[in-house]
Amino acid sequence: QVHLVQSESELKKPGASVKVSCKASGYTFTSYALNWVRQAPGEGLEWMGWINTNTGIPTPAQGFTGRFVFSLDTSVSTAYLQISSLKAEDTAVYYCARRSGYCTTGVCQKTFDYWGQGTLVTVSS
Amino acid sequence: QSVLTQPPSVSAAPGQKVTISCSGSSSNIGNNYVSWYQQLPGTAPKLLIYDNNKRPSGIPDRFSGSKSGTSATLGITGLQTGDEADYYCGTWDSSLSAQVFGGGTKLTVL
Repeated sequence: QVHLVQSESELKKPGASVKVSCKASGYTFTSYALNWVRQAPGEGLEWMGWINTNTGIPTPAQGFTGRFVFSLDTSVSTAYLQISSLKAEDTAVYYCARRSGYCTTGVCQKTFDYWGQGTLVTVSS
Repeated sequence: QSVLTQPPSVSAAPGQKVTISCSGSSSNIGNNYVSWYQQLPGTAPKLLIYDNNKRPSGIPDRFSGSKSGTSATLGITGLQTGDEADYYCGTWDSSLSAQVFGGGTKLTVL
């Protein structure tokens, strides 16, 4: 069965960096795109972008460029989210999610069929 | 402000039926497929409905999805206290080239 297991919660000071991992199992890692979703305390889901697990090319969403870096280590079926220069407003639960589906002739059938358990990143002095 | 609009909350009694709406535009719901996610308190979201109206294996047929034009609807029948959760709709937005979600709807089973 498919599992996405994320790293444990982190407490960081403003200005520091954090690296969240997402280890996949139960399927061929390079066959599905890996997405990242943020959920601030008491808020909804916000898509951060995705990484092509075949090519390693990341596509961050608007607002998640610069300080946010998506990477992979396909040898261990693991995706990473690194956030640098942390700010208090980065405090959130970060989820990885496997995306299945595709786009054809302008119509997209994409869904997040499996999710990691989430990693709480708290930024506080 | 979310691209997709959902009611903040809905409620109904155990055993009853409830619907949750998700309103968008031609660049998202109107031309792409909709998914619904259930987020139980303190847990990660879970896929409930994909491709507008399909249920992954293991999801009971009490949950259903439909789409008409630029709106989608999640239906839940035979409500149980265990259905209390936040529900999110999501789809691709072709103009934004982005995955978009609704703001979420909190379901209370009275």
